[in-house]
Amino acid sequence: DGGITQSPKYLFRKEGQNVTLSCEQNLNHDAMYWYRQDPGQGLRLIYYSQIVNDFQKGDIAEGYSVSREKKESFPLTVTSAQKNPTAFYLCASSIAGTGLRSEQYFGPGTRLTVT
Amino acid sequence: KNQVEQSPQSLIILEGKNCTLQCNYTVSPFSNLRWYKQDTGRGPVSLTIMTFSENTKSNGRYTATLDADTKQSSLHITASQLSDSASYICVVSARSNSGYALNFGKGTSLLVTP
Repeated sequence: DGGITQSPKYLFRKEGQNVTLSCEQNLNHDAMYWYRQDPGQGLRLIYYSQIVNDFQKGDIAEGYSVSREKKESFPLTVTSAQKNPTAFYLCASSIAGTGLRSEQYFGPGTRLTVT
Repeated sequence: KNQVEQSPQSLIILEGKNCTLQCNYTVSPFSNLRWYKQDTGRGPVSLTIMTFSENTKSNGRYTATLDADTKQSSLHITASQLSDSASYICVVSARSNSGYALNFGKGTSLLVTP
């Protein structure tokens, strides 16, 4: 999975609890991304970060928060405000941005189930 | 409306046969188009990436084509193997005010049977 690790692979939480998903990369990439994948739907961008200490909202940021204190790490917190948090979460990284030739490398994913 | 449409939604073929997956897009201005393979429960892995000037790109038994005029791409799999069973995702990158945006198709689910 290209030097990106996500943990844990499966995560179970009770409704109303915040939960943090881990994403670490050793590729020395500047940019990192969080996506959500639901059955029958394409990947949807939650948050992305082009550089340390900076991040931007994606298409579906409501109910999520992120931090980028280190280049290698981009944790995602799913808050209790997220109405439908059960999904497969994918972290990715790239050299810089998503422009020409900037390949995205994906982690193995975390499947979050909230009951 | 999704700007990247993939067809078919799912496909079942016999081992050893060839198949072709389609991707039509309306994204503009076009930057590049990527095909990913995603095994069940895993992250996507890149197969090919093509720019405006590239008509075809091969990666082993996978061959992608791009017609930027008609905004269509295809992924051809030759001599399919059981390990080809996966979801294949078409992703189109477009230039935007903030840089580039990736537009994901919903994927084609391929099952290769013995």
